[in-house]
Amino acid sequence: DAGVIQSPRHEVTEMGQEVTLRCKPISGHDYLFWYRQTMMRGLELLIYFNNNVPIDDSGMPEDRFSAKMPNASFSTLKIQPSEPRDSAVYFCASSLAIYEQYFGPGTRLTVT
Amino acid sequence: GENVEQHPSTLSVQEGDSAVIKCTYSDSASNYFPWYKQELGKGPQLIIDIRSNVGEKKDQRIAVTLNKTAKHFSLHITETQPEDSAVYFCAAIYHDMRFGAGTRLTVKP
Repeated sequence: DAGVIQSPRHEVTEMGQEVTLRCKPISGHDYLFWYRQTMMRGLELLIYFNNNVPIDDSGMPEDRFSAKMPNASFSTLKIQPSEPRDSAVYFCASSLAIYEQYFGPGTRLTVT
Repeated sequence: GENVEQHPSTLSVQEGDSAVIKCTYSDSASNYFPWYKQELGKGPQLIIDIRSNVGEKKDQRIAVTLNKTAKHFSLHITETQPEDSAVYFCAAIYHDMRFGAGTRLTVKP
């Protein structure tokens, strides 16, 4: 298996622009998680899905953030409008049941 | 919600020595405790985990112990090698997963 796939690997954008991060989970996994990693706040869970349904989005920082999972093999995390404080590495992870999560390589987002 | 504290934040050992990283958690309902290794520029990689019905688990040079009463768990790495150098994260799960702040382990050859 190729593991969790994320794209793009790096994204540089200007403040106010829309950013879309993409994730393809491991085939057969029924949970998908979005995390954000910064030096200041460490690894934070933003939202997770079970069978394509959002279960807990309490970690989503603001209404500017939204996530979707239209099918079992694809999810997006969108930031609109983006702000410099959104600069971070965003990870997608998937698992069979909520345990044993496998992380993707991450998307490094820089908002100038 | 769950709160996970991890110590130390940095750890430097000589090759061949042992390394121990400790975590405490606040929610007694947490029932799953994974450890992740993150190398530079990569995503966290699951290296070992333990469930609340087990006190200890070992996988070659890596072991994890869990004390449910005290609500703490530890990662033990024996015979450390330079390739063990990375940032290690603990986590605790009940309804969601909370990570510790991480420990940067450096193994000096």
